[in-house]
Amino acid sequence: GAGVSQSPSNKVTEKGKDVELRCDPISGHTALYWYRQSLGQGLEFLIYFQGNSAPDKSGLPSDRFSAERTGGSVSTLTIQRTQQEDSAVYLCASSAQTGNTEAFFGQGTRLTVV
Amino acid sequence: AQSVSQHNHHVILSEAASLELGCNYSYGGTVNLFWYVQYPGQHLQLLLKYFSGDPLVKGIKGFEAEFIKSKFSFNLRKPSVQWSDTAEYFCAVTPGRGKLIFGQGTELSVKP
Repeated sequence: GAGVSQSPSNKVTEKGKDVELRCDPISGHTALYWYRQSLGQGLEFLIYFQGNSAPDKSGLPSDRFSAERTGGSVSTLTIQRTQQEDSAVYLCASSAQTGNTEAFFGQGTRLTVV
Repeated sequence: AQSVSQHNHHVILSEAASLELGCNYSYGGTVNLFWYVQYPGQHLQLLLKYFSGDPLVKGIKGFEAEFIKSKFSFNLRKPSVQWSDTAEYFCAVTPGRGKLIFGQGTELSVKP
């Protein structure tokens, strides 16, 4: 595709519900990253994929968070039993490879837990 | 743990003032360095990058950054800011071929 696409762009959910956030990376990009952006917190690393495998899941805040990537393309970030502190903008980025290549970002999904 | 520190959280300047935003990282090996910018309502985009070679790199819109290995720093500079530079600026580091790690961001407000 022309760029990184994330859906939905906005999601309001009730506390305790599960949500799925989707990321469509740029075609051919092998690396895919998930970040969480909260006011005053910068970009918090969550997880990254190299192909379908996740070499580093260290940023996932709790076991309520999980992510998968299939076919080396689309990735889904799932948050189970959402809490109010999960409210944030979730950003996805992709790059041709990890290391010395530019990462391209999507517009993000704004998640609000009420 | 690998980390990136941006010293200024919010910078307010008048147009034509000079800008320098600090960035330090903690990693002793080979690093790739980036500055990203997020204009209001827009997605993050690359401002400039350093992989190797000349430690003074030039990016878009008149920005430049200098990699000083001995200080683990990659400060962003612009000689004369414009109102349109109002945005949030993020320093980022990739240690080797690992994950892309961001600093906390610096919000820049330029007064016309």
